[in-house]
Formats: sequence, structure tokens, C-alpha cells
Amino acid sequence: NAGVTQTPKFRILKIGQSMTLQCTQDMNHNYMYWYRQDPGMGLKLIYYSVGAGITDKGEVPNGYNVSRSTTEDFPLRLELAAPSQTSVYFCASSLTGDLYGYTFGSGTRLTVV
Amino acid sequence: KQEVTQIPAALSVPEGENLVLNCSFTDSAIYNLQWFRQDPGKGLTSLLLIQSSQREQTSGRLNASLDKSSGRSTLYIAASQPGDSATYLCAVPTGGGGADGLTFGKGTHLIIQP
Repeated sequence: NAGVTQTPKFRILKIGQSMTLQCTQDMNHNYMYWYRQDPGMGLKLIYYSVGAGITDKGEVPNGYNVSRSTTEDFPLRLELAAPSQTSVYFCASSLTGDLYGYTFGSGTRLTVV
Repeated sequence: KQEVTQIPAALSVPEGENLVLNCSFTDSAIYNLQWFRQDPGKGLTSLLLIQSSQREQTSGRLNASLDKSSGRSTLYIAASQPGDSATYLCAVPTGGGGADGLTFGKGTHLIIQP
């Protein structure tokens, strides 16, 4: 059971480039989330999805886009990378969110230069 | 808006001590509370999940308590070991329905001295 898998683990982008962070879970969880973690700031929610075809903005969605075409996959898209998007990105999933806990991926460390 | 505060922000103790990490939250209408461990450069590992109907959960040397009415949780680590060194994060569901993700504290950075 792989849980939540994120790729890549590390990436360096130049300002203005685009990229997609991949997230896949094999637990048949309905709910999936993207967080970013900045030093000393805790984790902030970017986007979330409660099922295939449904996505919603979190606390810090600007500069990002998501899609949820399948239950398993929840990619995060950066269209025009900016230095402010330098961060560690975590994907998470949960069966329902209220009665069950959350499982996190190992993260993607992104640097924008 | 739910806010989560963790005290202390950092803690350094000699090996073998029992210690308590504190977490407080502003909105007591939570379904559960989850404690995570994060090692440097790594992801989050779930340690304990306490449902709102429970007062505590135990896993090995870890014991977490929950007092919803006062908006507090504590993580007790018995007989600390150098391998316990990590950042410990407390999190609660952001919205009442649980779909809105988690609100995290900023964590307690723990160092256990050999």
C-alpha cells in the first residue's frame, strides 16, 4: 500500500516557467488536499477536492490551479512561477475528513530562481 | 476562523525525560484532533488521532489528551529518546464538516540530547 505519492521530490524553476506537481493516492480516498509549508509559517491550504470533478480554493490559491479527473490523482499546476512560490508542497488525502485522519505525501521541495 | 497555537515553539531536553507538548485551538466545535511528526526535510507522519468523543489516545510511549471544552490538547512523551527529535504538529479540521482540510499549529521543534 503506497499511500500518497508525490513527484518530483525536488525541482528548481526559473521565474515564469510552469510545472505540474503530481499527487496520487491508492487508498480510494474521496478528499484530497494541497498544502504549502514555509519556514516558521506552518502549513497553508492551497486547494482541495471532495471528489472527482470537484475542486475548491483554500487559504492561498493565487498562482495555482488544480484538476481532479479521477479519484486517485490530484495534480497542482503552477503557470507562471514566482519566487514567492518557493516552498515545500504537500499533498494529503482523507476518506471523509471528519471521522478519519489525513495521510500526507513526502513532499515536493520547489525553488524558484 | 479556527486558529491553532502550539507551545513551546522549541524544546531541548536530555534523554530520558518525560515531556509535554501543548496545543490550543479557538473553535471547540471539532470532530477530531490529529498529532503529526515531521523529521527534517521529510513529510508528515500521523502519530495519533483523537475523536471528539474521546479524551485520550495512546501509542507506545505517546499519549495524547483532548479537552474540547477548554480548546486544549497535550502530547505526552514518556522516557524521551534521541530518536524522538523532530517537529511535532497539531492539527484540527478547519470546518465543521471536515471537508475543508486541516488547520495546523506552527509546531514544536523538539531536540532530545543524548
